[in-house]
Amino acid sequence: GEDVEQSLFLSVREGDSSVINCTYTDSSSTYLYWYKQEPGAGLQLLTYIFSNMDMKQDQRLTVLLNKKDKHLSLRIADTQTGDSAIYFCAEKIGGGADGLTFGKGTHLIIQP
Amino acid sequence: DTEVTQTPKHLVMGMTNKKSLKCEQHMGHRAMYWYKQKAKKPPELMFVYSYEKLSINESVPSRFSPECPNSSLLNLHLHALQPEDSALYLCASSQEEGSQKAFFGQGTRLTVV
Repeated sequence: GEDVEQSLFLSVREGDSSVINCTYTDSSSTYLYWYKQEPGAGLQLLTYIFSNMDMKQDQRLTVLLNKKDKHLSLRIADTQTGDSAIYFCAEKIGGGADGLTFGKGTHLIIQP
Repeated sequence: DTEVTQTPKHLVMGMTNKKSLKCEQHMGHRAMYWYKQKAKKPPELMFVYSYEKLSINESVPSRFSPECPNSSLLNLHLHALQPEDSALYLCASSQEEGSQKAFFGQGTRLTVV
């Protein structure tokens, strides 16, 4: 499958904004997703964006998509201790139910 | 209701045992998935069922046998596993069309001894 790249760690101070970045290689991606995984838990869908959109905002979350550069980012405003988790970006290719390809995940660490 | 329920939450099995993992959703989703997640790694797709038919098998060894008895249930039958099969097994479901947002269960933590 195609690679989806993320940096492994991000450390931010409580109250600051967090920006988690992701790059993907398959230009035929149709939807891109952000998932959150807390220790010992499953994956929680945070938000998603269709490939013909540039931006999507949902409360504290803002997703930016640069399709030309194949770059996706997730901005979390006013980061709280409860945001500490691993964040995975994932891409879906094609129109059928083909499953998702995940990035390696970014561990978001919140400093008090 | 966006819940996908997996049982059991934890499972320890010997290499000669036969066990099954179960997954249930009542969102009317017609696509269901099994993923395997090793520690500190992303989930990796194993199987996809679409309208209760197996549509994708990502070259998974035959000691893993999926089954979709109806549109709400998905099982994963395990037989003669190896210690390296120890992992978190995640079930997910999605609609077949549109955004196909996938909702995940909490997973079954499997340990093979």
